[in-house]
Amino acid sequence: DSGVTQTPKHLITATGQRVTLRCSPRSGDLSVYWYQQSLDQGLQFLIQYYNGEERAKGNILERFSAQQFPDLHSELNLSSLELGDSALYFCASSPGPSDTQYFGPGTRLTVL
Amino acid sequence: AQSVSQHNHHVILSEAASLELGCNYSYGGTVNLFWYVQYPGQHLQLLLKYFSGDPLVKGIKGFEAEFIKSKFSFNLRKPSVQWSDTAEYFCAVKYNNAGNMLTFGGGTRLMVKP
Repeated sequence: DSGVTQTPKHLITATGQRVTLRCSPRSGDLSVYWYQQSLDQGLQFLIQYYNGEERAKGNILERFSAQQFPDLHSELNLSSLELGDSALYFCASSPGPSDTQYFGPGTRLTVL
Repeated sequence: AQSVSQHNHHVILSEAASLELGCNYSYGGTVNLFWYVQYPGQHLQLLLKYFSGDPLVKGIKGFEAEFIKSKFSFNLRKPSVQWSDTAEYFCAVKYNNAGNMLTFGGGTRLMVKP
């Protein structure tokens, strides 16, 4: 157990819908990262927050957005869902903005 | 574009065999290097990391990796695998001129036969 928690564990929804994935970092960690793991694209970095501020952006679609709240938990919002958005979404956290990342258990999203 | 390659997609070994998984990355300045393991149905766990210093890094569960700068490689090794090592292994690179994002290889699925 890395100390990073993610909810829900599984999510099944329909195309066109919107969902919110939640991540709580390890105690004391200020930085949160989101990654997408899909069969065709592998593990890809989406976005990083540090102490509430966006720090880095990867290949994140415009339909996706994220934020980090004052209590340091983070939410990833996925809207206008498409079949291709089906994937495992991992959250990771680190103490500072450049430290080793520790991963949560992931949220498996299935879009039908 | 920065990229990480893991050439072995699937590896099958018998228990007690030696393991070496390849990882190569594209040039992009100074790097930090990582190996993560994902056991079936579980999250990514850090096996070992290299930031600087001795290029031979020892990690958990008897794994080690060697950073060879001239070959842009960071191969993972274990002298004697166990059935419990069955998992998917990911090499990841942090390019220090690109923030703290990790660039992952495609992963290697290891199956160890008892």
